[in-house]
This record gives sequence, structure tokens and C-alpha cells, in this order.
Amino acid sequence: QVQLVESGGSVVQPGRSLRLSCAASGFTFSSFAIHWVRQAPGEGLEWVAVISYDGNNKYYADSVRGRFTISRDNSKNTLYLQMNSLRAEDTAVYYCTRGVRTRAPFDIWGQGTMVTVSS
Amino acid sequence: EIVLTQSPGTLSLSPGERATLSCRASQSISSSYLAWYQQKPGQAPRLLLYGASSRATGIPDRFSGSGSGTDFTLTISRLEPEDFAVYYCQQYGSSPWTFGQGTKVEIK
Repeated sequence: QVQLVESGGSVVQPGRSLRLSCAASGFTFSSFAIHWVRQAPGEGLEWVAVISYDGNNKYYADSVRGRFTISRDNSKNTLYLQMNSLRAEDTAVYYCTRGVRTRAPFDIWGQGTMVTVSS
Repeated sequence: EIVLTQSPGTLSLSPGERATLSCRASQSISSSYLAWYQQKPGQAPRLLLYGASSRATGIPDRFSGSGSGTDFTLTISRLEPEDFAVYYCQQYGSSPWTFGQGTKVEIK
């Protein structure tokens, strides 16, 4: 079964750091680009970052560039999102989702993990 | 950045009716890199259409898409009870990847 499972979400204070993980199964993880997309409570979808299948290309939304880092370990079939200097506006459900390449639709989504930034 | 504007914000219809959702881009989207997603409360989004008009795996044929350049449409020919949800368009042709703000299809 093709699956993406996020983990690592929690409540964190502003300015602190958090690392999210996304474990893949049921497909050849190393062949796919993987994105992070977030959704603030009651709001729409916001693309956050993408990493190419081999990890050589990364792109970020302006809202997180310089604070968030996307990475992957193809030997562990796992994607990561290192989030530093967290702000209240980073509060959201974070989804990982795949595309056959960076410029491709997002065909499989995880169930999401909640990040709450609050003092 | 390509801004996507969806209309209407909310569509109130009855089961069996036809739904027409619009998505307008601030600049032309290359090669119809336009997708539509459905999201139900508490669930992750689901890919419906890509390339403006190609249905994703398992998507029923009552869902169809059209358009090119800057104007795109999602049509649901006859609404089923499970189709009441929020729909997002997305462009994936250039960074940053962007989504529209969503159209909620609710039961009238």
C-alpha cells in the first residue's frame, strides 16, 4: 500500500525548533520528488518546500526560506523538515505529498501532523 | 508568483445538480500544469485532475476539467452526497507552487 506517514508535530514555543519526519512505504521513495504543504486552522493550502528525488534540488516558499530546511534519506525512505525560529504563523497541519518529479501534481498525501507555535 | 483566484467562494447546490467551479491565474500557466484537489473535513486533500483535464486514478467521470492559459474550470456533472467538500486548484509549473483559496461546495 502506497503510504506517507508524517510525525513529529507538537506544541512549541515561538523561536524554538522542531523537526518533522515523513516515512514512505509501498513505492520507490528515491524516484519521487516530495513536498511539504501546510494548512493553518480553518485556512487553505500553502505550499512550503520541495526536494527532488535525489536531494540535489530544493525550493522553498518565501515565508519559510532561511528558517526551514527540507532533506531526505533515501536509504531510510524518509523525508524531513527542520523548522527553526518558529513563529505563531507557522501553526498548521503539515502534510508531505509526492510528485513523480518536482513539476508534477501531488498524487499521494500523508494524513498530516499538527504543529502549534504558542507560548 | 502565480496567484490563483477561485470563484465562487461557496457554492450551494442540491444532490444531482451540476457544479461549475472557476480558477483564474494571474499569468499563463505553462503546459496546463493545473490540478484540482478535493478536501473533506479532517482529511488530506485528494488529487482529482491534473494537466487541467486528466482524471487521476479512481476519479469518477462526473468530474471533468477544462481550460488553458489563465482560465480553468472544474465541472461536477451530477453532485453525489460524497462530493460536498472544498475544492482547490493548484499550479505546479513554476516555483513557488501555489493553490487557490478554495471553493466550498455545500448542500443547499
